[in-house]
Amino acid sequence: AQKITQTQPGMFVQEKEAVTLDCTYDTSDPSYGLFWYKQPSSGEMIFLIYQGSYDQQNATEGRYSLNFQKARKSANLVISASQLGDSAMYFCAFFTSGTYKYIFGTGTRLKVLA
Amino acid sequence: DADVTQTPRNRITKTGKRIMLECSQTKGHDRMYWYRQDPGLGLRLIYYSFDVKDINKGEISDGYSVSRQAQAKFSLSLESAIPNQTALYFCATSDLERGTKGETQYFGPGTRLLVL
Repeated sequence: AQKITQTQPGMFVQEKEAVTLDCTYDTSDPSYGLFWYKQPSSGEMIFLIYQGSYDQQNATEGRYSLNFQKARKSANLVISASQLGDSAMYFCAFFTSGTYKYIFGTGTRLKVLA
Repeated sequence: DADVTQTPRNRITKTGKRIMLECSQTKGHDRMYWYRQDPGLGLRLIYYSFDVKDINKGEISDGYSVSRQAQAKFSLSLESAIPNQTALYFCATSDLERGTKGETQYFGPGTRLLVL
């Protein structure tokens, strides 16, 4: 069975510090993609970063990086130099070529403290 | 202009009423999806469509139906709304982007539905 797990329902981080949001997944499909989305209080889902299962390097997008550990089946999001505007819900998701479906985690609510 | 739009953005309806949520996209993507979001449950897939003639049920399709009127339009209907369908509904699109983003999904702004 395919599933994705975010074990941190909520986290706090001090402004300007780095924070890691955890995500683990389980699939037997060798070809898959991992995604992180941000959902601010306004409700929209904002795409942050993508990592393909065959990518050799960890993905980075500005202050976001994805710590991809394939053997451990983890895809943690690292946000560097946190800003107040980073306070939001963060969802990890993955997509497999075999099923053509996306599966979302239950999310982690991040609060950045001034 | 937004690439993926949803109408209405907010809707209050009564139990038993039929309601339609509409989604339009200008991204030129073939694949479109409907999700619902409930607190603590993340996003759950209701229906998805890979092209105009291809409609598939997701994990929670009971009580819902969809119509893919064109490549750019995908509507979700609640035939007889019930209170536990109160949720935030998202439309999303995707297409294979060779390179750095794989098959990234792009979401509409969401529709907040309250069924009384």
